[in-house]
Formats: sequence, structure tokens, C-alpha cells
Amino acid sequence: NAGVMQNPRHLVRRRGQEARLRCSPMKGHSHVYWYRQLPEEGLKFMVYLQKENIIDESGMPKERFSAEFPKEGPSILRIQQVVRGDSAAYFCASSPLVWDEQYFGPGTRLTVT
Amino acid sequence: ELKVEQNPLFLSMQEGKNYTIYCNYSTTSDRLYWYRQDPGKSLESLFVLLSNGAVKQEGRLMASLDTKARLSTLHITAAVHDLSATYFCAVSGSRLTFGEGTQLTVNP
Repeated sequence: NAGVMQNPRHLVRRRGQEARLRCSPMKGHSHVYWYRQLPEEGLKFMVYLQKENIIDESGMPKERFSAEFPKEGPSILRIQQVVRGDSAAYFCASSPLVWDEQYFGPGTRLTVT
Repeated sequence: ELKVEQNPLFLSMQEGKNYTIYCNYSTTSDRLYWYRQDPGKSLESLFVLLSNGAVKQEGRLMASLDTKARLSTLHITAAVHDLSATYFCAVSGSRLTFGEGTQLTVNP
């Protein structure tokens, strides 16, 4: 059973470009969570999704950030018009039941130049 | 809003010594997690603590939970260099809230 998969693992974007981060949950998991980790800090919750639904996006910045989890395919975290402050590691986690133990992916490290 | 505080944030210890990392949280919760993170890597789940008085041990690490005091501890016994990493506690409420992490360095 493959674990949570994220790609790309490293992403470099210039200021103003768009970043798309993908997350494929573990097989059988329908709950997906995105977290952001700034350098030298802990993980901060961003958004919780189920298939085709955003359940809790209270941790998402109000502008430029969006997330989706379509019926088919991976969950996508999209950051428009990236700024240097968006440079961070973005982790996706999945669980079989709501707020059950979460399994983390390897993360995508975004660098904005 | 649930707050989770860890201390110490930085811990440098010698091999063979014992030490404890503390995790305090502000509101009641039904489960607490401990994770390990190596530099540039993802989180590795260490322990899941579900009830008051829960104690779990794996190798040189032992975690405990006191829900009345809203406190969890991660005890390190006879530290070895391989334990050098950052350790996070996380508390499950309406979301998973992480502490700031304890950066542990074990020196020979």
C-alpha cells in the first residue's frame, strides 16, 4: 500500500508565478489535509478536504490560495502570484476517517525567487 | 482556539543521558500525537495517545498523557546520536494543532 504521494518534491517559482502542488492520498483514504511549515517552525493547518468538498479552510490565507480534491485525481493546492513569503514546505496528509490518525506525505518544498 | 506549547524548544544533550520534553495544550482533546522530523524530511509518527494515563514506549522513547493536566511528556532514556531530530507534539481537536517543535541534538 503506497503511502501519501506528493509532487513535485521541490518547486522553484519566480515572484508572480503560479504554484501547483499535488497530493495523492493513501489508498482508501478520502480525507485530505494540507499544512504549511515555515522555516524553523511547526506545521500550521491550512485546509481539510473530502472528495469534491472543502470541509474546513479556516487556515488558508484569504487571497491567492485555493485547494481542491476532485472526484478523480489528486488534491491540488494552488498558489497564485507567489511572493517570497510563500516559500515553505507544504505537507499533505490523509486519513481513512475524519480526524483519524493522519499519514503525511514527503512534502513539497516551494522556493520563491 | 487550541494552543499547544512545547518546551524546551532546543535541547542539547550528551549520549547516555536522560531527558524529558513537555507538551502542554489549552483545551480538552481526545488524542495526542508525537512525531519526529529529520531535516528536510517529512513527519514520522511515533506515538498516538488516546486516553488519560496512556503510556507508550518504543526503544529509548516513552510518551505519556495526563488529560487532566493537559500535559504530555516524551521521555528519552540513554540518548544516542541517532535520536537527533526535531520532535513535535500535535493535539487533535477540530483540527490537528502542532507545537513549535523541540530540536534535539545528541552529542557524543
